[in-house]
Amino acid sequence: SQTIHQWPATLVQPVGSPLSLECTVEGTSNPNLYWYRQAAGRGLQLLFYSVGIGQISSEVPQNLSASRPQDRQFILSSKKLLLSDSGFYLCAWGQGNTEAFFGQGTRLTVV
Amino acid sequence: GEDVEQSLFLSVREGDSSVINCTYTDSSSTYLYWYKQEPGAGLQLLTYIFSNMDMKQDQRLTVLLNKKDKHLSLRIADTQTGDSAIYFCAEALSGNTPLVFGKGTRLSVIA
Repeated sequence: SQTIHQWPATLVQPVGSPLSLECTVEGTSNPNLYWYRQAAGRGLQLLFYSVGIGQISSEVPQNLSASRPQDRQFILSSKKLLLSDSGFYLCAWGQGNTEAFFGQGTRLTVV
Repeated sequence: GEDVEQSLFLSVREGDSSVINCTYTDSSSTYLYWYKQEPGAGLQLLTYIFSNMDMKQDQRLTVLLNKKDKHLSLRIADTQTGDSAIYFCAEALSGNTPLVFGKGTRLSVIA
């Protein structure tokens, strides 16, 4: 069966520090991978998605970047965090345009 | 427009039925989904419906689809306190593209 792992679960980082959130998927190959951000427990904002290794689509201009160094690994990064980067970050995977399966999320607080 | 619309809040008494409504955007959407998000957790796929169906029932959950009006609803029978969560509807557009999510409906169940 397929599983998705996302870590860490919570993170407190100072303004200006770097960020690296990692997501891995097991039990499938060539998945579509997604990073979402959710502010204040509300709607989902799609940040990045990838349909293959090295293929990243960015949905909104921001202080973040994403990379997919391996087929089932998706990394969200920042060189210098801003206060506005605080939020709940969710990784997800899917096949084609069908349902997406989500990780448990990372609560990021920038102080 | 390209927004999936949902009402933001719904409050029901324990034991009553809950109906969460959603209006989606693309009449050619192939699948429509309902996700549940409990506090501090990722999104859990609850159920889905193919676009050629009008209704789908799964235990306490009933999904109704009105393609003409592009309206989707989720009915939860005998609502319990454990059903308190945010419910997201999502549509799958054509091609290899991410799901489009609504902003979520926060369901509060009053004992």
